Amino acid sequence: QVQLQESGPGLVKPSETLSLTCTVSGDSISNYYWSWIRQSAGKGLEWIGRIYTTGSTNYNPSLKSRVTMSVDTSKNQFSVKLTSVTAADTAVYYCARELRTDSGLDVWGQGTTVTVSS
Amino acid sequence: QSVLTQPPSASGTPGQRVTISCSGSSSHIGSNAVNWYQQLPGTAPKLLIYSNNQRPSGVPDRFSGSKSGTSASLAISGLQSEDEADYYCAAWDDSLSLNGLYVFGTGTKVTVL
Repeated sequence: QVQLQESGPGLVKPSETLSLTCTVSGDSISNYYWSWIRQSAGKGLEWIGRIYTTGSTNYNPSLKSRVTMSVDTSKNQFSVKLTSVTAADTAVYYCARELRTDSGLDVWGQGTTVTVSS
Repeated sequence: QSVLTQPPSASGTPGQRVTISCSGSSSHIGSNAVNWYQQLPGTAPKLLIYSNNQRPSGVPDRFSGSKSGTSASLAISGLQSEDEADYYCAAWDDSLSLNGLYVFGTGTKVTVL
């Protein structure tokens, strides 16, 4: 079955760039939307954005100026970069799959904790 | 930033029926399908209901979803101890000023008494 695995640094310094990659196994990355979601400690879920396998993106307006997503179909991976991070960006970051707009996020990674601290 | 409002908590005894509401507006719930997610403690969210009332394979039929106008509901019938979790509704927002925004509800913690 399809599995998603997030990877990247667990600690990022303030003002630097947070970079995470999600590796898809068990299925092709093609023909799906791929999202990033985050959750601060004890808080709710926040959608960061998504990318289609053609490279088309949608970003949360509240983060749009700092977010860039990319996809590498040859490696079955997609990535997110968040610039100029602050302590408010400390969270568990999840990647997830979406078949179409009304199908929901049906497969999730286990999540990776990113702490922003000097 | 969440614009989908849920009650912070809900509870019931084993076997009871629990209902969680999700209130939104015409730009999201009123225009798009509602999805529901279950998040067990310390784990990633899991898709519970998609397209308002559809259950993914493997989700027990104790869970059901509905939508009316700008509100949606998740019902858990025959509540079980393993249903103790956080539940989130979600929908796409079609506001003209946005280029697509997926919004989650504020979340509801279900406690099995």
